[in-house]
Amino acid sequence: EIVMTQSPATLSVSPGERATLSCRASQSVSSNLAWYQQKPGQAPRLLIYGASTRATGIPARFSGSGSGTEFTLTISSLQSEDFAVYYCQHYNSWPRTFGQGTKVESK
Amino acid sequence: EVQLVESGGGFVQPGGSLRLSCAASGFTFATYWVHWVRQAPGKGLLWVSRINTDGSSTTYADSVKGRFTISRDNTKNTLYLQMNSLRAEDTAVYYCAREDYGGSPNAFDIWGQGTMVTVSS
Repeated sequence: EIVMTQSPATLSVSPGERATLSCRASQSVSSNLAWYQQKPGQAPRLLIYGASTRATGIPARFSGSGSGTEFTLTISSLQSEDFAVYYCQHYNSWPRTFGQGTKVESK
Repeated sequence: EVQLVESGGGFVQPGGSLRLSCAASGFTFATYWVHWVRQAPGKGLLWVSRINTDGSSTTYADSVKGRFTISRDNTKNTLYLQMNSLRAEDTAVYYCAREDYGGSPNAFDIWGQGTMVTVSS
């Protein structure tokens, strides 16, 4: 099983600032990596797939990069609606494991 | 509107059974893989199971293998999860999610709102 490790667990950011979230896979997942956003009481929402492709309707301030084992989600200028928990997930093999999440909170 | 709507959650005693449903609308259900993902209270996401387009192939997480069965009825645009021998650690919100497989793996682009399963005596 591929283990996905996200860091940091919590990120304190002020609105307008840049947020950088990391995700590491225990073995290569190529570019088969997705990022999801989850707000309290809501289902996850797909942000990024293929490591760097924004899903439909996702604002340009969200960007993804990386391949193999190291991945990054960047929110260029944090908006109030971006405070949430972010999960990475690989879909390179079974099981399709998720990271433990990074909570982005207001500083 | 493209939508997945789960139902069937509830309270069940350890060792009991429950069947979840996920009704799809707004898209051609039969052309998508579909998954179950769960989230224990205050915890992260855990992939549970997946079924291919015609139901001929399924995959399970080790933690549910032999106890849960995923199935689908494309004539009813509905996904199911039969959960037997339930344990306290199965307590979670259960989400269904679709994947546009199309020959290569893909992310989960549409999720349902979830249904809560509580296993307790």
